[in-house]
Amino acid sequence: TQLLEQSPQFLSIQEGENLTVYCNSSSVFSSLQWYRQEPGEGPVLLVTVVTGGEVKKLKRLTFQFGDARKDSSLHITAAQPGDTGLYLCAGRNAGGTSYGKLTFGQGTILTVHP
Amino acid sequence: DAGITQSPRHKVTETGTPVTLRCHQTENHRYMYWYRQDPGHGLRLIHYSYGVKDTDKGEVSDGYSVSRSKTEDFLLTLESATSSQTSVYFCAVLVRGAYEQYFGPGTRLTVT
Repeated sequence: TQLLEQSPQFLSIQEGENLTVYCNSSSVFSSLQWYRQEPGEGPVLLVTVVTGGEVKKLKRLTFQFGDARKDSSLHITAAQPGDTGLYLCAGRNAGGTSYGKLTFGQGTILTVHP
Repeated sequence: DAGITQSPRHKVTETGTPVTLRCHQTENHRYMYWYRQDPGHGLRLIHYSYGVKDTDKGEVSDGYSVSRSKTEDFLLTLESATSSQTSVYFCAVLVRGAYEQYFGPGTRLTVT
């Protein structure tokens, strides 16, 4: 069973601060996805990283996939109240016939105070 | 949103009763998934389908069954609901070319 450890579980910061969320595993993933979820809604895909060492930027959000494809990070610059939500990382299992199955981290609840 | 709807969106039921949740998609995706979401656990896979009448178990399948008689519908059944099955249930589809999963809006189930 592949596991993804996501940290921190909770993050409460002031508007304008920077933050980083981490996802770590001992397993290799074919790709890693980051989702954002708001209360009462389903997770919404933010980005997919595929190549070891890959960095993708989405406005103030920077996503990085580790060189060995075992870990990933999400960095938010100058956080805004609109960034508040639950952030989830999910890795697509490598090797064999995975049927596209994902392993999810436990999630990070981010609260950005004005 | 990959054209996914879930019904019902909210349900309260009593322990021991059967419950069926429906996931409907309009874009002919082959792969579909059922997850449950509980605080501190992220999303956990219950069952998945890789085609009509082709299904398999996920990591938390005990107490759940599924059926897929046509491409667009994936049903999740709790044969005899228990309080431990109180959760939010999400359906997802796989967009094959990108190997990305897209989620429905969820069903909040409360078992009393």
